[in-house]
Amino acid sequence: EVQLVESGGGLVQPGGSLRLSCVVSGFTFTTYWMHWVRQGPGKRLVWLSRISSDGRSTTYAASVEGRFTISRDNAENTLYLQLSSLRVEDTAVYYCARGGISPADTFFVWGQGTLVTVSS
Amino acid sequence: DIVLTQSPDSLAVSLGERATINCKSSQSVLHSSNSQNYLAWYQQKAGQPPKLLISWASIQESGVPDRFSGSGSGTDFTLTISSLQAEDVAVYYCQQYYSSPYTFGQGTKLEIK
Repeated sequence: EVQLVESGGGLVQPGGSLRLSCVVSGFTFTTYWMHWVRQGPGKRLVWLSRISSDGRSTTYAASVEGRFTISRDNAENTLYLQLSSLRVEDTAVYYCARGGISPADTFFVWGQGTLVTVSS
Repeated sequence: DIVLTQSPDSLAVSLGERATINCKSSQSVLHSSNSQNYLAWYQQKAGQPPKLLISWASIQESGVPDRFSGSGSGTDFTLTISSLQAEDVAVYYCQQYYSSPYTFGQGTKLEIK
């Protein structure tokens, strides 16, 4: 069974940092592009970042470039998102999602999400 | 960025009736090299992550009931539920993966009338 399990969310003050993790199982992690998507309370889904199967290529949404860093550990089947300089508007559920074998592909499987709350 | 606009924002349909959700893109998501539309549809039930229903505008994912279908090309797309079931209550999103940043529509909330 394909599974993606996020962790690392929580309450953080504005300007703070967090590292989110996404542990995957049930598929060959090293084959696929991976993505992070977030959803603010009552809001639409927003794509944040993607990373190639080998970790060498990354892309970010303008709203998070320079503040968030995506990475992966293929030996540990784990995807990461380092969040820095957090703002109140970064409050959201953060999902990891499995893409395809090419960068332009849909998001086939999603984790359950981890909630990040930015508040003083 | 490509902007996706869904209509309507909310929809109430009787059980067994047809539900239609539209998605309009600010630019074409039809790739000339392969004639594929880079457009997907997701279903998100309350408290759950999105679930992929349709990719490439009209390709049903494995396990998705046949009552769900996608159509359209270029800038205009439609998700149709042919005979609404109670378990179809959800928010539905379209998404383009033609170009980064990948963007989603604002969502359409589907309810039972």
